[in-house]
Amino acid sequence: QVQLVQSGAEVTKPGASVKVSCKASGYTFTSYDIHWVRQAAGQGLEWMGWMNPSSGNTGYAEKFQGRVTLTRNNSIRTAYMELSSLRSEDTAIYYCARVRPAMNAFLDPWGQGTLVTVAS
Amino acid sequence: SYVLTQPPSVSVAPGKTAIITCGGNSIADKSVHWYQLKPGQAPVLVMFYHSDRPTGIPDRFSGSDSGNTATLTISRVEAGDEADYYCQVWDTKRDQGVFGGGTKLTVL
Repeated sequence: QVQLVQSGAEVTKPGASVKVSCKASGYTFTSYDIHWVRQAAGQGLEWMGWMNPSSGNTGYAEKFQGRVTLTRNNSIRTAYMELSSLRSEDTAIYYCARVRPAMNAFLDPWGQGTLVTVAS
Repeated sequence: SYVLTQPPSVSVAPGKTAIITCGGNSIADKSVHWYQLKPGQAPVLVMFYHSDRPTGIPDRFSGSDSGNTATLTISRVEAGDEADYYCQVWDTKRDQGVFGGGTKLTVL
């Protein structure tokens, strides 16, 4: 079955960077985009950006421009989200999700989430 | 930027019908998707393109839209439906995804 498995929880300090991985299985990795969404404690879902594994093309939410980088390694069917210049407000669960590369497509399925804690 | 507005909470007794709304400018002209989020679990798609149900989602879940409001309706609500529900669209002008603020469904 289609599955996205994310890397484990991270604890990091303000000003540092974090890199979360998302390993895909059960489908052709390069045929679907990967999107990233986060949820801070007590907050709603927040869309961060997308990447097309085939072309490497990316798009980022304005809020995260310059701080987030989406990459991939097609040989191991894995997408990555790196967030830099971390601050306490970046403490959140980060999710990856598969999206058909079409206009207005939906996110399905989602990874299990990765908790990133930013604390001094 | 495109804004989606959801009520923070909806409460309903078991067996009754829950109606969760998502407001946005001319939202009926957009493709609306709905997700269910339970604590400690990954979000699950429960409705896509306004009214299509993914495989495995009970037919108690239905979607509709009109003008500036999209609606997720859950009939014969069960305790297991208790969760946060989010609507989502694509903001084509800014080329980015947009989520509503989420609605907490409480089953009394």
